[in-house]
Order: sequence, then C-alpha cells, then structure tokens
Amino acid sequence: ELKVEQNPLFLSMQEGKNYTIYCNYSTTSDRLYWYRQDPGKSLESLFVLLSNGAVKQEGRLMASLDTKARLSTLHITAAVHDLSATYFCAVGLSGGGADGLTFGKGTHLIIQP
Amino acid sequence: KAGVTQTPRYLIKTRGQQVTLSCSPISGHRSVSWYQQTPGQGLQFLFEYFSETQRNKGNFPGRFSGRQFSNSRSEMNVSTLELGDSALYLCASIPTIGSLGYTFGSGTRLTVV
Repeated sequence: ELKVEQNPLFLSMQEGKNYTIYCNYSTTSDRLYWYRQDPGKSLESLFVLLSNGAVKQEGRLMASLDTKARLSTLHITAAVHDLSATYFCAVGLSGGGADGLTFGKGTHLIIQP
Repeated sequence: KAGVTQTPRYLIKTRGQQVTLSCSPISGHRSVSWYQQTPGQGLQFLFEYFSETQRNKGNFPGRFSGRQFSNSRSEMNVSTLELGDSALYLCASIPTIGSLGYTFGSGTRLTVV
C-alpha cells in the first residue's frame, strides 16, 4: 500500500522567511504532484515531477524530487502572505494507469505579515 | 477552454437518502477520477473512469458507485447516506488514462444531517 507522509502538517511563519515542506512516500513512483488549496476551494496544480533530480520553480516556490530517497521537497523563499494555503503532495503509482493519486495529509501554511 | 464543472456546488441530505453528483470534464478529456476530502481522512481516491469503464476503485464501501457516459461526463452516487459521508467531493479531469495532467473541479460540498 502506497503511503505518503508530509511534514510539517502545520506551519506558521513570518513574511520574508524561507522554509521547506517535506513529502516522503513508501513505494516506487514515477510521478509526484504538488497542489495548493485555499479554504473552501479546489486543488490548484503547482508542479508535476517525473524524474530523479527534477527541480521546478515558479515564483517563490521550488519543488524537487529524489526518487532514490522517495522524497520531495517544496521550498518557499522569502514568503509572502499570499502564499498562505494548504499544500498537498500526491503520488501516482509507477506505470501510470488508473490507480489514482495518493495524497499526503497536507501542510497548513500560515504566513504572518 | 471551459474547466471542470461539478454540480451541484452544495448539497444537504438526510441520513439514509441517496445522492448523485455530476462532473463534466474538460472538453476532449476522456478520463475522470473522483476523490473524497474530509478533515479526518484527508483526500482519498474513490474511482477512475475511462471510456465509460471503471478502471480502478479505492477502498470505499459498495454504497459508493459511479458511471461515465459516452460524452465523458461522470456521475457518482452514494446510497444510504451516513453522517460520515459529509465531505467535499472533487472530480479530476484527465486527458486520457495514464496522463499526467489532473485538473480538479471546484467540488461538491455534501452535508449529511
């Protein structure tokens, strides 16, 4: 059974600081997703990571993937209040197919002005 | 390009009733998957459909069922509703089976009283 663990589950930080969210998964996977969810809203796709060593950046967010360690990170640089949201990582089983995604519990991020 | 349309947005039902939720994927997308989001269990995979066939199902009781029509629209049905079925139900639109791009709809918020 594929398990996905995120930490921390809750993070309160000040604007201007840097921080990293970690996502560990238990089984070989060929795709890892990061999503953002605002309160009462749907999931917004941030990144899809496919290969070992993959790094993607969008604004103040940067995601990376280490398939050997089964670890992905989401790094926030110089946080701003608008980045306050819940962030989820999700993993799909290798080989694609219709297995759906297994999500982590989410990291509730609050950025204080 | 229209996004993923889920209807209704909000629904209140009584225990024991049944409910049907609808999801219209992005035009041209042929696969749809459904997820349940609750505060306690997080995001959990329900099932995925491709070409009117259920390709996989998550660990949910038989009260949860679905179908997909020839125009790729999908419905999910929950019979004999329980209080624990209260959740946000999210539908993801996927170009085809095994595709990487999951685009989520705004969800249906179901409250069972």
